Amino acid sequence: DTGVSQNPRHKITKRGQNVTFRCDPISEHNRLYWYRQTLGQGPEFLTYFQNEAQLEKSRLLSDRFSAERPKGSFSTLEIQRTEQGDSAMYLCASSLVGGPWDNQPQHFGDGTRLSIL
Amino acid sequence: AQTVTQSQPEMSVQEAETVTLSCTYDTSENNYYLFWYKQPPSRQMILVIRQEAYKQQNATENRFSVNFQKAAKSFSLKISDSQLGDTAMYFCAKSHSGGGADGLTFGKGTHLIIQP
Repeated sequence: DTGVSQNPRHKITKRGQNVTFRCDPISEHNRLYWYRQTLGQGPEFLTYFQNEAQLEKSRLLSDRFSAERPKGSFSTLEIQRTEQGDSAMYLCASSLVGGPWDNQPQHFGDGTRLSIL
Repeated sequence: AQTVTQSQPEMSVQEAETVTLSCTYDTSENNYYLFWYKQPPSRQMILVIRQEAYKQQNATENRFSVNFQKAAKSFSLKISDSQLGDTAMYFCAKSHSGGGADGLTFGKGTHLIIQP
């Protein structure tokens, strides 16, 4: 079990630029989640996938945000035309659901910290 | 919108003491999951304990236990024999549905400090 891996760990960019983050879930996990966490707050849910299907999207996920999981393995989160308010920690989590076992809880990665200049 | 409220921004106790962190939530559902996650400084979020709403028995994990009061929509975390390594942010969270496997709504967190 290598854990949930997120890259890059830190991203600094100028306002208006596009950024893309990557998340590699625990290998056998079929669900993958994205959250955003600002300083002093709890994580806020953005979206999640079961395999390659995006099953739920938060209203926080504006049209500048897009997430994909094309082959049901790793996922990318892209933010277009970044704004100051996008500065946050972006957390990815994965879990294993379905089958003969109980739905497993979410395991989180270390996050990608985005700073907008 | 669902809400999870943690009314204690910060708590501080001496090592070996028992501490209770509070959490209340709002829902109209009958079945759901509740979680406590721990986030040490600059480290990843770790699951501490989870509770299924239809189970009346309170969950326990070693020194960690919960007091789940479904009618009151309350879900507190008790840490017994606290240790220095328990120092962290603690977040209460609720699943968006009964399966417990979709998105989570988190509270704002409680910063727990264990003093030597």
